[in-house]
Amino acid sequence: AQSVTQLDSHVSVSEGTPVLLRCNYSSSYSPSLFWYVQHPNKGLQLLLKYTSAATLVKGINGFEAEFKKSETSFHLTKPSAHMSDAAEYFCVVSDPNTGKLIFGQGTTLQVKP
Amino acid sequence: NAGVTQTPKFRVLKTGQSMTLLCAQDMNHEYMYWYRQDPGMGLRLIHYSVGEGTTAKGEVPDGYNVSRLKKQNFLLGLESAAPSQTSVYFCASSWGGNNQPQHFGDGTRLSIL
Repeated sequence: AQSVTQLDSHVSVSEGTPVLLRCNYSSSYSPSLFWYVQHPNKGLQLLLKYTSAATLVKGINGFEAEFKKSETSFHLTKPSAHMSDAAEYFCVVSDPNTGKLIFGQGTTLQVKP
Repeated sequence: NAGVTQTPKFRVLKTGQSMTLLCAQDMNHEYMYWYRQDPGMGLRLIHYSVGEGTTAKGEVPDGYNVSRLKKQNFLLGLESAAPSQTSVYFCASSWGGNNQPQHFGDGTRLSIL
């Protein structure tokens, strides 16, 4: 069975400093992994996806994530945080048979001026 | 460029009342999903559909029914609303398959008194 664990429920950074949001996954298959972002009172927006083509995945708004099979991790990073990055971030794994998404608990990113 | 549209955006119900949430997508997607989002629990799948005329149960289907009479619409029904169904409901659609991202609506905020 597939699952994801987001290791931090809340991360706080200062504007202009790096962002690291951690995610570990469990999957019986070669996984498809996603990061989604949710701004207040909005739906979820796809940041990036990993589907085995390349281990370093670049997404929108300067975010990227690295797939590490040996560590079963898919951490999300950004070199320099912006105030507009403050949001909820979800690490997600896809069920290979149905396409159903299994969500992590979410990490709230706070960006301080 | 509507994407996924949910109606209504907000609703307050009394216990025992019924209502239907409507989801419409204009991307010709085969797969559609209904989720609920509760604090600290990420998104949980209620029901989903892999094509017109088909529906299937997700993780938390009890108390809900769905219908997919037209490819572009996916309806979520609450026959007898309960306070435990107070939540934010999200609809999503995708082409289906393991590596296809889902596109989300902006959500319906439902309160059951």
